[in-house]
This record gives sequence, structure tokens and C-alpha cells, in this order.
Amino acid sequence: QVLLVQSGAEMKKPGASVKVSCKASGYTFTNYYLHWVRQAPGRGLEWLGWFNPRNGDSKYTQKLQGRVTMTADMSINTVYMELQRLTSDDTAFYFCARVETEASDFDYWGQGTLVTVSS
Amino acid sequence: SYELTQPPSVSVSPGQTAIISCSGERLGSKFVSWYQQKAGQSPVMVISDDSKRPSGIPERFSGSNSGTTATLTISGTQAVDEAEYYCQAWDNRIAVFGAGTRLTVL
Repeated sequence: QVLLVQSGAEMKKPGASVKVSCKASGYTFTNYYLHWVRQAPGRGLEWLGWFNPRNGDSKYTQKLQGRVTMTADMSINTVYMELQRLTSDDTAFYFCARVETEASDFDYWGQGTLVTVSS
Repeated sequence: SYELTQPPSVSVSPGQTAIISCSGERLGSKFVSWYQQKAGQSPVMVISDDSKRPSGIPERFSGSNSGTTATLTISGTQAVDEAEYYCQAWDNRIAVFGAGTRLTVL
């Protein structure tokens, strides 16, 4: 079955960076985009961008341009989302989600990774 | 930037029909997906491409989209359907989510 398993919770200080992983299994890794969506505590869903394992392309929301990088380790079917220069506004659950094309529906989601930014 | 508007909350009695709306400019020309999120869990897609029900989603969930409004309908609502529901569409290669609707089954 399709599984997206994310890395564990992180606690970071303001100004630091965080790298969250999302390991995919149960399907052909290169056939689907992996997107990242975050959700601040008690808030709604916010799309962050995507990574295409087939060719290494990525696209990010303009809001985080310059601070976010999405990469992959193809040998272990894992995508990473790194966010730099963290502030308290980045405190949120971060989800990876599978999408068949660049812009279709999010059919499978990871379990979420809580990133807490606090001094 | 593109926006999707949902009512903050909808209440329904068990067995009744719940209707959750999602409005946006020219929304009928886009595909809309709906996601259910229960407390402490990841979102689950319940409707894709306006009205398609993924495998494993009960038949009581249905969707439509026309004009400026997409609608998620839950017929014969059950207590287990109590959750936050988000609509989502794409605009210029950017995923946009509605703010979410809290469905309460009284």
C-alpha cells in the first residue's frame, strides 16, 4: 500500500534551519510529485511547493521563496523539505502529500511532522 | 491572490444531509478537491475532480461544482463524519485551500 512516512518532531531556535524527510513506498517513486503543505496550530492548510522526483524540478510558494528547498535522495525514495531562517511563524505541522501530476489532487498524505520554533 | 471561501461551521443532526459550500471566482472552470481532517490526523481526500469519490470513501459523500460555488454533500451524516473539511483548487500552478469548515454532528 502507498505510505508516506515522515521524520519526527523538531524543536528549533529562531534563525535556525530544519530539514524534514518524507519516505515513500508502495508505488513507483518517479511517477508522482511530492508536495509539502503546512498547518499552524489551530489554523488551515497552506501549500508550500512541490518536488518532482522524475527530473528533480521544484516549485515553491512565493511566500517562502529563498528560504525553502526541496530535494530528494533517489536511492531511498525520500524527499526532503528544508526551511531556513526559522521564525515563530514557521511553527506548524508539515505534511508531505502525493500528487499524480503537477496540479491534481493530494491522494495520499504523510503523518505530519511538528516543527516548533521557540527561543 | 486567489481565494476560496468556506463557512466556518456547519451543524447537522445524525441522519440528515450536510452541505458545505466553497466559493471562488470562476471556480466552476477549475477542478475542486475536498479533504476531511479529523482532530490530530492528516487530511484525507474525500472528493477529487469536483465529484469523484476515491476508493474507500463512503457513497454518502458527493460533490458538485458550477459557476462560482463548489459543494460537498454528505447524505445521512454520521457521527464519524464530524471533522474539518477543506476545499482545494489550483490557480496558476498554485494550490489554494479554503479556510476550512468545521462540521458538527449534533
